[in-house]
Amino acid sequence: AQSVAQPEDQVNVAEGNPLTVKCTYSVSGNPYLFWYVQYPNRGLQFLLKYITGDNLVKGSYGFEAEFNKSQTSFHLKKPSALVSDSALYFCAVRADSGGGNKLTFGTGTQLKVEL
Amino acid sequence: EPEVTQTPSHQVTQMGQEVILRCVPISNHLYFYWYRQILGQKVEFLVSFYNNEISEKSEIFDDQFSVERPDGSNFTLKIRSTKLEDSAMYFCASSEDRAARGEKLFFGSGTQLSVL
Repeated sequence: AQSVAQPEDQVNVAEGNPLTVKCTYSVSGNPYLFWYVQYPNRGLQFLLKYITGDNLVKGSYGFEAEFNKSQTSFHLKKPSALVSDSALYFCAVRADSGGGNKLTFGTGTQLKVEL
Repeated sequence: EPEVTQTPSHQVTQMGQEVILRCVPISNHLYFYWYRQILGQKVEFLVSFYNNEISEKSEIFDDQFSVERPDGSNFTLKIRSTKLEDSAMYFCASSEDRAARGEKLFFGSGTQLSVL
């Protein structure tokens, strides 16, 4: 069975500082990894994904994520946080074969960026 | 950017009643999903639907649940006899290509279902 762990319920960062939101995963085979963001009263919006290739992937709004196979991690990063980045962030995984096609999400991490 | 739309945004119902949650996926998408999120918990997969049939379902998706694409544009989730534990935010999602596992999902804003 595939699973995602987001160990932090909340991350607080000062505006202008770098941010990291952690994610580890478990899947049979190779992972397809995703980050989604949820703003209040909105649906989940796609930020970025890792399929294959370069371990550092860049996405929307200046976010990037680094795939680390040995640590089974896919942490979300941004060099300089903005107050408008405050939202709920979800990491998700899908196996590259077998096990159905469903996307499995973590519990989410609330990011709070303060002035 | 095209959007998945869901109605209603909030639904309150009595335990034992039937509810239908409605979704309009993005028009050229072929693969449809329902997820739910109980307050404070993870987003959970319920069901996926392709070519007018269920492709995959989770243990949560028991006989009380059903999905339908009645008219080529809407995609509905029906809960036949609601229970208190069905209270959650229900998200509809769609994607262009069933076969491509790297394909991203587009989500609606959700329907908050409250069972009293």
